[in-house]
Amino acid sequence: AQTVTQSQPEMSVQEAETVTLSCTYDTSESNYYLFWYKQPPSRQMILVIRQEAYKQQNATENRFSVNFQKAAKSFSLKISDSQLGDTAMYFCAFSRYDNYGQNFVFGPGTRLSVLP
Amino acid sequence: GAGVSQSPRYKVAKRGQDVALRCDPISGHVSLFWYQQALGQGPEFLTYFQNEAQLDKSGLPSDRFFAERPEGSVSTLKIQRTQQEDSAVYLCASSRTRNSNQPQHFGDGTRLSIL
Repeated sequence: AQTVTQSQPEMSVQEAETVTLSCTYDTSESNYYLFWYKQPPSRQMILVIRQEAYKQQNATENRFSVNFQKAAKSFSLKISDSQLGDTAMYFCAFSRYDNYGQNFVFGPGTRLSVLP
Repeated sequence: GAGVSQSPRYKVAKRGQDVALRCDPISGHVSLFWYQQALGQGPEFLTYFQNEAQLDKSGLPSDRFFAERPEGSVSTLKIQRTQQEDSAVYLCASSRTRNSNQPQHFGDGTRLSIL
C-alpha cells in the first residue's frame, strides 16, 4: 500500500518570502502521479500543482514549483513570493497510474500561515 | 453546475440515527469519489464510482456505510446507526475521465457531528 508523509505539521512564512513544504511517499510502483492540494479555511480543496512520475522536469505553476526526486521518493512544494491568500492546509497526494480510476492517498497535511 | 455541490453543509444527528449525504458532481464527470476527513487530518478514501458502477468500496469502515450513484450523476452516502466516531467532514470529488492523472475536483464537504 502507498503511504504519504508530511513531516511539518505547521509552518509560517513572512509575506513575499519563499517557503518549502516537504512530502515523502512510499510505493513500489514505477509510474504514478503526485499532486499538491490547498485547503483554505473555507474547506474546499483546490489543486495547486501536478507531477507525472515519468517526467523528469519539475512542474511549475506561476509562484508554485515542485522539487521531484524520484529516487528519494520526495516531492516538495516551493511557494515563492508568498501571499496572505496562501494561508491554508496543504496536502500532498499520490495516485497510482491506472486507466480505471484510482483514489488519492493523502498525507496528513501542513498548515501554512503567511504573516503580514 | 460549475463545481461539485454537496448537501447539507452541516448535519447534526443523535447516535443511532441514519443520515444521508448528497453529492452533485460536475456535469459529465465520469469518476466520483467519497473521502472522510477527520479534524486536522488528510482525507481518507471511502469509495469510488465510475459512472453508476461502484468499482471500489474498500475504504468504507463498516457495513453501516453505503453509497450509491444509480444514474451515474448524483451520489448519496448513507450511514446507518451512526456512532460518535463517524463525526467527520465527508468530501466528495469528481474527475472528468477514469484516468488517474486527472485532477479531482472537490466539493465543500458535509460536516457531520454525532451527539
